[in-house]
Amino acid sequence: SAVISQKPSRDICQRGTSLTIQCQVDSQVTMMFWYRQQPGQSLTLIATANQGSEATYESGFVIDKFPISRPNLTFSTLTVSNMSPEDSSIYLCSVDQREQFFGPGTRLTVL
Amino acid sequence: GENVEQHPSTLSVQEGDSAVIKCTYSDSASNYFPWYKQELGKGPQLIIDIRSNVGEKKDQRIAVTLNKTAKHFSLHITETQPEDSAVYFCAASIYGGGADGLTFGKGTHLIIQP
Repeated sequence: SAVISQKPSRDICQRGTSLTIQCQVDSQVTMMFWYRQQPGQSLTLIATANQGSEATYESGFVIDKFPISRPNLTFSTLTVSNMSPEDSSIYLCSVDQREQFFGPGTRLTVL
Repeated sequence: GENVEQHPSTLSVQEGDSAVIKCTYSDSASNYFPWYKQELGKGPQLIIDIRSNVGEKKDQRIAVTLNKTAKHFSLHITETQPEDSAVYFCAASIYGGGADGLTFGKGTHLIIQP
């Protein structure tokens, strides 16, 4: 299975600021996904990121709030823009290799 | 879109006993059903999965069953051990194998009592 790393592992941010989360994979993958896990809750898909094309967002998530980059087949970033306390969550990236594997997550707290 | 229901939300069993977690899904086009284990402070770990052309799959103490007609699937853990304590999530997708994103159930907090 792929080895996935995320940076930062956690952060505390002030409302109104933005944070960019990085996801690095140790092998080339076609599709990468970004999920949000609110405190004590399940995982919700934010968007699907393919290399060379714009990300596809799920209902309730918009590009202005969660811009995503996918510059190559091993890397992606998710930015959480103009943050509010409601954005406090764990953000997880995942990759497909016939099964879907997850990174360790980025725990974000917005004050 | 797909909707996945998971029960129970909390399950407490004695060490050595079996645990069963059940999920139902709404979209008959779904073909791939993975189960994840999430420990505190960690990302979800894939423990077993099943595809629609199979009714049952087993891996040591863990098994998953699928009933496509009834649109439900279950996770079975036998001879439970303290390290099985975690939150377990079921999920479903249409294309399977990561070609599309997953829809998750709300999770089951499994507690293994010593």
